[in-house]
Amino acid sequence: DAGVTQSPTHLIKTRGQQVTLRCSPKSGHDTVSWYQQALGQGPQFIFQYYEEEERQRGNFPDRFSGHQFPNYSSELNVNALLLGDSALYLCASSLVLAKNIQYFGAGTRLSVL
Amino acid sequence: SQQGEEDPQALSIQEGENATMNCSYKTSINNLQWYRQNSGRGLVHLILIRSNEREKHSGRLRVTLDTSKKSSSLLITASRAADTASYFCATDPIGSGNTGKLIFGQGTTLQVKP
Repeated sequence: DAGVTQSPTHLIKTRGQQVTLRCSPKSGHDTVSWYQQALGQGPQFIFQYYEEEERQRGNFPDRFSGHQFPNYSSELNVNALLLGDSALYLCASSLVLAKNIQYFGAGTRLSVL
Repeated sequence: SQQGEEDPQALSIQEGENATMNCSYKTSINNLQWYRQNSGRGLVHLILIRSNEREKHSGRLRVTLDTSKKSSSLLITASRAADTASYFCATDPIGSGNTGKLIFGQGTTLQVKP
């Protein structure tokens, strides 16, 4: 039973570019949440998707957008990258009836130069 | 913004000793969870304690919750080198409607020396 998988593992971009990160949830899970973790900090909630719609959003600008597909997988898109977007991006999946119990992927390390 | 603040920021102990880390939060919560993260990788869920519970055990882990002080502690007994990791508390604030919008603290980095 595969857990949460994220791709790519590492990514290097330059300022102003756009990036897409991908996440496949744990088998049977229907809800996907995305977090940003800066170096030395705790994860910060970006947004959450369920039934292909954004259900919750944290304090992140509109440059951060996402999508959920019918198979529950999800993408995180970041436009007009800034140096401050460099971080570990974590995807977490859960069941809609137990959203608090979240299973995390290994993350995508994004470096913006 | 971070809901929780963890103390200490870093902890170094010898194998076999107990490790205690604390978490304080700001707003009323539905529940509080503890997660472990190894070397900047994904987080692993350790334990969840609900707001009406005061203490919970899971293996070598013991978690307490004091809602009047808005604080929690995680005790790892008989620590092992494999416990070396960062530990985060995460809260689910009341009013968030059980959305799973977890708010994490800044974490405690634990080093267990063999």
